[in-house]
Amino acid sequence: EPEVTQTPSHQVTQMGQEVILRCVPISNHLYFYWYRQILGQKVEFLVSFYNNEISEKSEIFDDQFSVERPDGSNFTLKIRSTKLEDSAMYFCASTTGVSSYEQYFGPGTRLTVT
Amino acid sequence: RKEVEQDPGPFNVPEGATVAFNCTYSNSASQSFFWYRQDCRKEPKLLMSVYSSGNEDGRFTAQLNRASQYISLLIRDSKLSDSATYLCVVNNRYNFNKFYFGSGTKLNVKP
Repeated sequence: EPEVTQTPSHQVTQMGQEVILRCVPISNHLYFYWYRQILGQKVEFLVSFYNNEISEKSEIFDDQFSVERPDGSNFTLKIRSTKLEDSAMYFCASTTGVSSYEQYFGPGTRLTVT
Repeated sequence: RKEVEQDPGPFNVPEGATVAFNCTYSNSASQSFFWYRQDCRKEPKLLMSVYSSGNEDGRFTAQLNRASQYISLLIRDSKLSDSATYLCVVNNRYNFNKFYFGSGTKLNVKP
């Protein structure tokens, strides 16, 4: 069964450093998403991406964040200058967007900013 | 006001019990509705979409009440493996590609 994959599973970085989180969505899916979940809190929408551009973004997704689909398979989230409060689980998701917006999530990247 | 609200629980039920969760949404333009389950420190997994006419998948039944702006999930014959957090997710017709998650309802099924 096709699945969304994410790398790395855990990333530790120092405050102020740039990080890139990587995702490979399901191959025939057209819509891609990033979410974050701070430990013990709810899943929060960050951004959606379709046709090589951002479709929607939340208030959390400020200038520190960017997304890219550098090739036909990868979808990346970059955080330019990490802060302590960026420590969270980051989930990538994808959906076909054809008659349904059922999203399939990757296993997540745990980001720890020290 | 939160877009999506859920009773955090926990709901502690014995195996075999029937349990129901509700989720209320604030935006009358909400369009698509889903239930996901999330195990501790894992990704959300789609349980079922919620259709206007209601839908059933085995022991799980989902209902939508547009007039009162809530969706429900009923689990019959609870199994130990149903223990998880159940997340309510909605989007709306104006921001159809932006999804709002509830904080989740925790279910503990006891032997």
